Amino acid sequence: QKEVEQNSGPLSVPEGAIASLNCTYSDRGSQSFFWYRQYSGKSPELIMSIYSNGDKEDGRFTAQLNKASQYVSLLIRDSQPSDSATYLCAVKGTGGFKTIFGAGTRLFVKA
Amino acid sequence: DVKVTQSSRYLVKRTGEKVFLECVQDMDHENMFWYRQDPGLGLRLIYFSYDVKMKEKGDIPEGYSVSREKKERFSLILESASTNQTSMYLCASSNGLNYGYTFGSGTRLTVV
Repeated sequence: QKEVEQNSGPLSVPEGAIASLNCTYSDRGSQSFFWYRQYSGKSPELIMSIYSNGDKEDGRFTAQLNKASQYVSLLIRDSQPSDSATYLCAVKGTGGFKTIFGAGTRLFVKA
Repeated sequence: DVKVTQSSRYLVKRTGEKVFLECVQDMDHENMFWYRQDPGLGLRLIYFSYDVKMKEKGDIPEGYSVSREKKERFSLILESASTNQTSMYLCASSNGLNYGYTFGSGTRLTVV
């Protein structure tokens, strides 16, 4: 089992819709969770951090964390074509310094 | 605007060459990282540094070394470049172990 799993996609949504990106992780003691956006040919950019169960909202983005289910998600409301990118889920596990990245989900927002 | 700067965007080197990839951050971050990113394999940690002159091996340190003589600068060294080291190399820094990363723009290295 991979330590951080994401559906590779592509996930295709129409402009204005809600895009829902999901991630599961294996280390039950993980405390820190991140979402990065990576445009094609560019480096990842941190867009959300979440540390406790529940929802965290920042503009059109909402991160959701459920530690009991070992599940973290990212919702993008009013999706725009400029949101088309690969979204990486990252989890900081217990002990040490390691942050594990998922392989990413490709999102396409159709105009 | 805070920055992580990687010295080269594209680099082509010959097999057997010694290659230096430089990374500088202006955020006074303690932690700096080197990753490589390959299609289908995602981001893999090569080396990590949590303080000046301190380093830790990541998942794939073989064939690489690092140097951190100053807090703001973290260098990745390919001792003898090989074709399987052709990749996108990403430097990152963070303000603590439980914080997210700021990535540099990346260096696409081709070894021929």
